[in-house]
Amino acid sequence: DTGVSQDPRHKITKRGQNVTFRCDPISEHNRLYWYRQTLGQGPEFLTYFQNEAQLEKSRLLSDRFSAERPKGSFSTLEIQRTEQGDSAMYLCASSLQTYEQYFGPGTRLTVT
Amino acid sequence: AQSVTQLDSQVPVFEEAPVELRCNYSSSVSVYLFWYVQYPNQGLQLLLKYLSGSTLVKGINGFEAEFNKSQTSFHLRKPSVHISDTAEYFCAVSRSQYGNKLVFGAGTILRVKS
Repeated sequence: DTGVSQDPRHKITKRGQNVTFRCDPISEHNRLYWYRQTLGQGPEFLTYFQNEAQLEKSRLLSDRFSAERPKGSFSTLEIQRTEQGDSAMYLCASSLQTYEQYFGPGTRLTVT
Repeated sequence: AQSVTQLDSQVPVFEEAPVELRCNYSSSVSVYLFWYVQYPNQGLQLLLKYLSGSTLVKGINGFEAEFNKSQTSFHLRKPSVHISDTAEYFCAVSRSQYGNKLVFGAGTILRVKS
C-alpha cells in the first residue's frame, strides 16, 4: 500500500493557461474524491467518482473545471483558462466503500 | 445542508498540558463525524471517526473525541500534548447517501510550546 499519490506537487502557471493534475488512488479503492483547500480554510468538496462514473459535482466546479477517471483507476482534474482565484491546494482522496477517506499530499496551484 | 463550526482558529498550549479543540455541526439527519490532522505541506491524516455506537471515540496519537448529539458537538481532546502535535486539525461531517463526501470546518491550529 503506497498511499494516494498526486502529481505534480506544485504548479505555477500564468493566468489563462490550462493545467492538469493527476491522482493515483490506493489500488483497490473504488471511490475517488477531489477537494480544494484555500489558505485558512478547510477543504471543500469538488467532485466524486465511484469506479469510472462521476456521481456528484459541486457547484464550485465551474465549466472551466473537468475531471475524469477513465478506467476507474487514476483520475485527472483539468482547469481551463486559469484565474487567480483558482490558486489553492487541490487534494485527492480515495476510499473503499467505507467512510474512511485517505488523502494524498495535494497539488499546490499558483496562478500568476 | 450540513455545516461544521470550529470555534477556535488557534489554540496555544504548553507541552504536557491537556487540550480540547471544539467542533459543532449542524444537520437535520444522522451524520458521521471525523477529525483529521494536517502537518505542514502534507495531506490530511485521519485521527478518529464516529459512525455509531459508543459516543467516546479513541484515535491515534492519544487523541479522543466525544459525540454529543444533544449539543451537536464532537470535541477533540488529548490529556497531554507533545511538541509533535503542532499541526492544523479539521473536524468533518458526512452523510452516507451523498457518497460520503466530507464537509470540513475551517480548521484549528494547535501550537504546542515548550
